[in-house]
Amino acid sequence: GAVVSQHPSRVICKSGTSVKIECRSLDFQATTMFWYRQFPKQSLMLMATSNEGSKATYEQGVEKDKFLINHASLTLSTLTVTSAHPEDSSFYICSARDRLGGLNEQFFGPGTRLTVL
Amino acid sequence: AQSVSQHNHHVILSEAASLELGCNYSYGGTVNLFWYVQYPGQHLQLLLKYFSGDPLVKGIKGFEAEFIKSKFSFNLRKPSVQWSDTAEYFCAVIPMEYGNKLVFGAGTILRVKS
Repeated sequence: GAVVSQHPSRVICKSGTSVKIECRSLDFQATTMFWYRQFPKQSLMLMATSNEGSKATYEQGVEKDKFLINHASLTLSTLTVTSAHPEDSSFYICSARDRLGGLNEQFFGPGTRLTVL
Repeated sequence: AQSVSQHNHHVILSEAASLELGCNYSYGGTVNLFWYVQYPGQHLQLLLKYFSGDPLVKGIKGFEAEFIKSKFSFNLRKPSVQWSDTAEYFCAVIPMEYGNKLVFGAGTILRVKS
């Protein structure tokens, strides 16, 4: 149980285009999902907290107009990188917290490797 | 600044050696503590977690960690490593005073020589 999927696993795009990444909780409902970014040889940095049915909460320094987050249902959150540039190339990872889980445990997706040319 | 510190970025051990990876945090108050592992090409998996109770926590694959509140530490241990333990290990903390946000350490890359 507690499986989180991401799609796509890899994406290569041209500079200036937008890319959408999906995060799904497959066997549980998640009122809260989290989006992280991981640079090579560095740790995961929280970008934003996505709450079902409400606006995402962004961490300091993360541009909300650049990284659009939508959490339309209890099993799906999307991250759209708008007008992507090479510096946005990174590994994006989502996690989800079980709505019924009483503890602060997050389940992680496999990540999406974004390369912007 | 508030943070989670992992002492070693790279560790190389021979099979059967004992492992201890250090993790310290700088948050006061109540914390939830985690160790995650990321095997090459795979996603993060939870090794073990501490929320309350017995400060010695046993996780999967023979790993354990000890929460020492006075030292703000949550070190990961394994008595005898295997080649298959080669991976990157992340310590993570949820400082309750800052909401339910996971703060990760920088990670420790463990390579086990066969």
